[in-house]
Amino acid sequence: AQSVSQHNHHVILSEAASLELGCNYSYGGTVNLFWYVQYPGQHLQLLLKYFSGDPLVKGIKGFEAEFIKSKFSFNLRKPSVQWSDTAEYFCAVNAGATNKLIFGTGTLLAVQP
Amino acid sequence: ETGVTQSPTHLIKTRGQQVTLRCSSQSGHNTVSWYQQALGQGPQFIFQYYREEENGRGNFPPRFSGLQFPNYSSELNVNALELDDSALYLCASSNRAILNTEAFFGQGTRLTVV
Repeated sequence: AQSVSQHNHHVILSEAASLELGCNYSYGGTVNLFWYVQYPGQHLQLLLKYFSGDPLVKGIKGFEAEFIKSKFSFNLRKPSVQWSDTAEYFCAVNAGATNKLIFGTGTLLAVQP
Repeated sequence: ETGVTQSPTHLIKTRGQQVTLRCSSQSGHNTVSWYQQALGQGPQFIFQYYREEENGRGNFPPRFSGLQFPNYSSELNVNALELDDSALYLCASSNRAILNTEAFFGQGTRLTVV
């Protein structure tokens, strides 16, 4: 069965620190990969997505992610976080014809000013 | 704002009751998916509707059912509510005719079963 693992459940950083959130998935075929963010009290929003092509994907608000097929990974990075990045981050995989998303359990990021 | 609207935003029901949650998809979208997000968990896929028919289902019992209407809006119905059904229910819409597109989520309905 397809699954997504996010290794960091709760991350606390100071402003300007660098961020890397891990995401691994289990599926042997072609996948589409996503990072969604949920700010407090808001809906899930897409940060970035990978379908094909350049494995280094740039998203909104300075976030990027790298797809490493051999490691089944799609880690999220940001060189310098801001207080406004405080949110919950979800990695998701879409495999198959139904566009069904498999989500990880999420990483709660708290950025201290 | 995504253009996906869900109602109601909050709901409290008693165990054994039935509930209907509603979702209006974003303009131009023909596919609606429903997810359950329990506290501290990622969203879990319940099912998807396309052309008014169920098109894929996750690991949820038959008491979770749905509908899609000709205007692509959708309902999620849950019968015989259990305490564990307490969760945030998310609706996501997308356009199946467009390759390599993402789903857009509504703000969710917070269901509490007591």
